[in-house]
Amino acid sequence: RKEVEQDPGPFNVPEGATVAFNCTYSNSASQSFFWYRQDCRKEPKLLMSVYSSGNEDGRFTAQLNRASQYISLLIRDSKLSDSATYLCVVNIRMNYGGSQGNLIFGKGTKLSVKP
Amino acid sequence: EPEVTQTPSHQVTQMGQEVILRCVPISNHLYFYWYRQILGQKVEFLVSFYNNEISEKSEIFDDQFSVERPDGSNFTLKIRSTKLEDSAMYFCASTELVQETQYFGPGTRLLVL
Repeated sequence: RKEVEQDPGPFNVPEGATVAFNCTYSNSASQSFFWYRQDCRKEPKLLMSVYSSGNEDGRFTAQLNRASQYISLLIRDSKLSDSATYLCVVNIRMNYGGSQGNLIFGKGTKLSVKP
Repeated sequence: EPEVTQTPSHQVTQMGQEVILRCVPISNHLYFYWYRQILGQKVEFLVSFYNNEISEKSEIFDDQFSVERPDGSNFTLKIRSTKLEDSAMYFCASTELVQETQYFGPGTRLLVL
């Protein structure tokens, strides 16, 4: 069973569209949740952390359902510059020595916003 | 804004050769990581490092790999005898003591021929 699963994509949408990405994770010990974006051949960059109460940052809204082990990202009024691969990421915190744990990445969902 | 830097940006090597990938984490960060991404695949954790020792490592991080913090700024990943399947993008990341956000460097693209 894959640890972090995402919609396979690609998503091709017109500018101004609303697009939603879904993600499920298998390890109930997962403690922290993130959406990163990755442009072609570049490093992952943090888009936003995901909190249990849900959180919003401008056009981006993230939701977390711990019971269902499900994470979502909603992008409203999509821009051309939103074109990228969106990575669902979880962090399983270790219980010793203050370790931050390591990040487990989904394979990502590619978004292409067209004019 | 402080950022993680990595050198070289690209490295081409022959199978069996040793390579050293270098990273300069953000200066006040204490936890350091290496990840790799084979072309077309997901980002995979290799190793984490804290207080001058490995905190955790994945099954990918076998005896051919080692990490070191030789001075107060650099964090290196060494591959002793490269294999074709080591060809990938290698990302360094760092984080502060209590925060969980990991900041990634631009990566080193390694090609083993």
